Amino acid sequence: DAGVTQSPTHLIKTRGQQVTLRCSPKSGHDTVSWYQQALGQGPQFIFQYYEEEERQRGNFPDRFSGHQFPNYSSELNVNALLLGDSALYLCASSLRVNYEQYFGPGTRLTVT
Amino acid sequence: AQTVTQSQPEMSVQDAETVTLSCTYDTSENNYYLFWYKQPPSRQMILVIRQEAYKQQNATENRFSVNFQKAAKSFSLKISDSQLGDTAMYFCAFMKSGGTGTASKLTFGTGTRLQVTL
Repeated sequence: DAGVTQSPTHLIKTRGQQVTLRCSPKSGHDTVSWYQQALGQGPQFIFQYYEEEERQRGNFPDRFSGHQFPNYSSELNVNALLLGDSALYLCASSLRVNYEQYFGPGTRLTVT
Repeated sequence: AQTVTQSQPEMSVQDAETVTLSCTYDTSENNYYLFWYKQPPSRQMILVIRQEAYKQQNATENRFSVNFQKAAKSFSLKISDSQLGDTAMYFCAFMKSGGTGTASKLTFGTGTRLQVTL
């Protein structure tokens, strides 16, 4: 049973560029949530997708956007990258009717 | 808005000993879930244990157990017979109930770094 997978593992971008991170949920899961974890901090909720729509959003600017595909996989897009966007980006999947979230290994984004 | 506070940035415990990690939270909700996640150096966030707020009985998973005090809004994690593999960051997290058990956002504390020594 495949768990949550994320790609790429690491990424280095320059200020002002755009980035796309990808997530495949655990088999059977239909809901994907994205979190940003700055160094030494707990994860912060970015947004959640279900049925290809954004259902909840945390306190992040519109530069952060996402998408969910019919196969439940998801993308996180960040435009106009800032140095402060450097963080570990975690994807978590769950089944809509179950509250437990399972996390992927994360994508480490470094903005220079 | 909910907040989760972990007041112990770092803790150390000897192999085979017992350690307790503290967590307090603030919410006006009556129906919610609480979690402890473990994040080893590999970065993968692993669910350790969960507690439904409506359940009075404290959750237990093998060597891991919680002390849930709803009135005090306290949710501590006890690790018995600590092992080297328990070395990790431990995060306490809160989730408001979606009413029908639907998944909602997790609100995390700042974490406690646990070091298990020989």
